[in-house]
Amino acid sequence: EVQLLESGGGLVQPGGSLRLSCAASGFTFTRFGMSWVRQAPGKGLEWVSGISGTSDKTQYADSVKGRFTISRDNSKNTLSVYLQMNSVRAEDTAVYFCAKDGIVGATVGYFENWGQGTLVTVSS
Amino acid sequence: QPVLTQSPSASAALGASVKLTCTLSSGHSSYAIAWHQQQPEKGPRFLMKLNSDGSLYKGDGIPDRFSGSSSGAERYLTISRLQSEDEADYYCQTWGVGVRGVFGGGTKLTVL
Repeated sequence: EVQLLESGGGLVQPGGSLRLSCAASGFTFTRFGMSWVRQAPGKGLEWVSGISGTSDKTQYADSVKGRFTISRDNSKNTLSVYLQMNSVRAEDTAVYFCAKDGIVGATVGYFENWGQGTLVTVSS
Repeated sequence: QPVLTQSPSASAALGASVKLTCTLSSGHSSYAIAWHQQQPEKGPRFLMKLNSDGSLYKGDGIPDRFSGSSSGAERYLTISRLQSEDEADYYCQTWGVGVRGVFGGGTKLTVL
């Protein structure tokens, strides 16, 4: 069974930094791209960033490019995806979901599995 | 970059059927989409991948009450024998070469 467990959310001041983590299990981690998708309070889903299975490709939404960095650890004992959030703004306030891609070898395809999310609040 | 358009809301009676629509923007009618369900206060759940020819791949454990179909630029999600737990937000999503994670605005389904 695929499991995705996000952590690292919390309250951060504007201009500050935060690192989100997503621990993955139940599938061959290196075969699938992983993404972060966020949802601002009362709003719809917004794709944020994606990374290929071998980390050779990364993609970002225009709204976070240059501020956020996605990475992953494919080590045997640490199957995780990360989102380093720098220079955060009030509009980055959202629940951040980790999502596993449904297409082998793709960086960003369709999202076949989702985590439960972690809340990031940007406020002074 | 394709744009996905969904009606903001829909409603249907308990036990009835409802058909939700996701419309692809001009020039993108060949794109496949995925349907996702988000129940209140929960993370999204993948329902199905729907191709332009109507063929589909459903997620694990998705009941037969959920089905999909395609016509031109329209992609449909039909839910039969509505249950109270089907009250949720439904999002369509597409992808492709040069396409970076595109979602529709979502449809809020109310079960009366």
